[in-house]
Amino acid sequence: DAGVTQSPTHLIKTRGQQVTLRCSPISGHKSVSWYQQVLGQGPQFIFQYYEKEERGRGNFPDRFSARQFPNYSSELNVNALLLGDSALYLCASSVTGTSGLRDGELFFGEGSRLTVL
Amino acid sequence: GDSVTQMEGPVTLSEEAFLTINCTYTATGYPSLFWYVQYPGEGLQLLLKATKADDKGSNKGFEATYRKETTSFHLEKGSVQVSDSAVYFCALISGGSNYKLTFGKGTLLTVNP
Repeated sequence: DAGVTQSPTHLIKTRGQQVTLRCSPISGHKSVSWYQQVLGQGPQFIFQYYEKEERGRGNFPDRFSARQFPNYSSELNVNALLLGDSALYLCASSVTGTSGLRDGELFFGEGSRLTVL
Repeated sequence: GDSVTQMEGPVTLSEEAFLTINCTYTATGYPSLFWYVQYPGEGLQLLLKATKADDKGSNKGFEATYRKETTSFHLEKGSVQVSDSAVYFCALISGGSNYKLTFGKGTLLTVNP
């Protein structure tokens, strides 16, 4: 079975540009979460979507936005890129939004590595 | 808010050495605790978990015990292998924020033959 897939795997942008990252969850999973992992740090929570609705948002500026589509795939958008946005962006999927997470049922993709010059 | 503090790395060991990576936490309610591993070029993978106090999570020879009295979840392995070289992250989900994982900064482990 296919795991969580993300695209693109690597990309380079310049300051002020906009970027869209894409994620396809595991088949049957209805929840998608996004995390930012800066080099040398642990992942930081950005968003969770469940059944196309935002269920949680981390401490990130409004330049970060996301959405979930009827097929449960998701996009993360970042506007007005800053150098500090350079990071590995991780998508994770789960069957439900919360109840399964405490049992560790959160599966991560390999990430999209964004470099902002 | 929730937070996880784990041992600073990097940690370098010889094959068959004993491994301990310390992890302590602050959380609301009774969190679930996890260790995730990130092998070079791969995504995060769940290594083990514990959902209540005194639970012991185990997998691939790794163990960690949920200690509520010391708010700790230290990772141990009796005999490491070269293939265990990776970054290890301690993480939690708390009742106050049950939709997200809170991670520590990660500990890079290198095992030499």
